[in-house]
Amino acid sequence: EVQLVESGGGLVQPGRSLRLSCTASGFTFGDYAMSWVRQAPGKGLEWVGFIRSKAYGGTEENAASVKGRFTISRDDSKSIAYLQMNSLKSEDTAVYYCTRGKGGGDYDPFDYWGQGTLVTVSS
Amino acid sequence: SYVLTQPPSVSVAPGKTAKITCGGDNIGSTGVHWYQQKPGQAPVLVVYDDSDRPSEIPERFSGSNSGNTATLTISGVEAGDEADYYCQVWDNNSVHPVFGGGTKLTVL
Repeated sequence: EVQLVESGGGLVQPGRSLRLSCTASGFTFGDYAMSWVRQAPGKGLEWVGFIRSKAYGGTEENAASVKGRFTISRDDSKSIAYLQMNSLKSEDTAVYYCTRGKGGGDYDPFDYWGQGTLVTVSS
Repeated sequence: SYVLTQPPSVSVAPGKTAKITCGGDNIGSTGVHWYQQKPGQAPVLVVYDDSDRPSEIPERFSGSNSGNTATLTISGVEAGDEADYYCQVWDNNSVHPVFGGGTKLTVL
């Protein structure tokens, strides 16, 4: 059974950093692209970024709203994807979901989602 | 960046057919994916590549895509289908995923 479990969310002050983790199980983690999608309270889904599988270069892409502040990485040996969030702003407050791309690269749908972890940016 | 437009809400009586649209410039030239999100839960993929269904999704869910509009169709709507539905594509220019604003389906 495919499972994605996010952790690391919580309350953080503006300007500070936070790292989210996504621990995967039930599939060969290294074969798949991993994405982060967020949802602000009462709002819709917003793609944050993704990291391709090693077979597709292992490179990351980020949304314009977080580019230069957020970084995605992966440890295939541990089946974990990370979202490093720096210089956090109040508008980054959201539930952050880890998702799996149906393939290793681009253009695939997100076929599995974690339960999400809440990040609240407030002083 | 590429913009997807969904109606904020759609209402349908039980047993009837619901159609949720997703508009975008020449959206018919790219694959569209649909997600269902019930309150307090993570999204679930219900249709991908315009009209394919994951194995666990009922046949009542189907999709189409042509011209400037993609459509998610739910036949024989049940109370349990009440949820928010999001369409998603990959922007060919930026190679970034884009979500529609979401449609709240209400079962009367």
